Amino acid sequence: GENVEQHPSTLSVQEGDSAVIKCTYSDSASNYFPWYKQELGKGPQLIIDIRSNVGEKKDQRIAVTLNKTAKHFSLHITETQPEDSAVYFCAASSPGSARQLTFGSGTQLTVLP
Amino acid sequence: EAQVTQNPRYLITVTGKKLTVTCSQNMNHEYMSWYRQDPGLGLRQIYYSMNVEVTDKGDVPEGYKVSRKEKRNFPLILESPSPNQTSLYFCASSFGLRGRVNYEQFFGPGTRLTVL
Repeated sequence: GENVEQHPSTLSVQEGDSAVIKCTYSDSASNYFPWYKQELGKGPQLIIDIRSNVGEKKDQRIAVTLNKTAKHFSLHITETQPEDSAVYFCAASSPGSARQLTFGSGTQLTVLP
Repeated sequence: EAQVTQNPRYLITVTGKKLTVTCSQNMNHEYMSWYRQDPGLGLRQIYYSMNVEVTDKGDVPEGYKVSRKEKRNFPLILESPSPNQTSLYFCASSFGLRGRVNYEQFFGPGTRLTVL
């Protein structure tokens, strides 16, 4: 089955700096890669996703890149703000997979004021 | 408001005392799933359901049961809870696998379970 590794497990950045979180996946057939943000006391919420037919996707301060050859994808947050502090999870999914998503282990991002 | 609800949000129980965590969604989603979240392990799938009366095991199903009698509800049952089931549990739902394209999963607020 799919295996997703996520790094780093914790990340601290100064407000205004950029943050990058990286994930690798094992199943070359995987074609859907979402990123979820989990704020304290809440359930994960989708913030951005990318499908295997594109290499990059941006939404304001958030971007995701995908390298299918190397089987890795990354989340980039620019101009970080204190409200970006949360746990971030990457995930991967194979076409038509009934289990839908395999998650990484999560990254605790702290934005220091 | 479109949402996934879970009850209870917090539960402390003792070993062997059967419990049920309820999950309900109001988005007419076919797919529902249960995850447990443990430090350093991310979200691990317990069980999932493709539609009413269709359920299957995820990665960590031991010690859990589920049922899907109605489209909106997907309860998680622990027949005889043990301390290693102390965890944060999340229910999620999505539109499923229409056109073989996976859809966004919507998560509930979580249930923190402690088994003494």
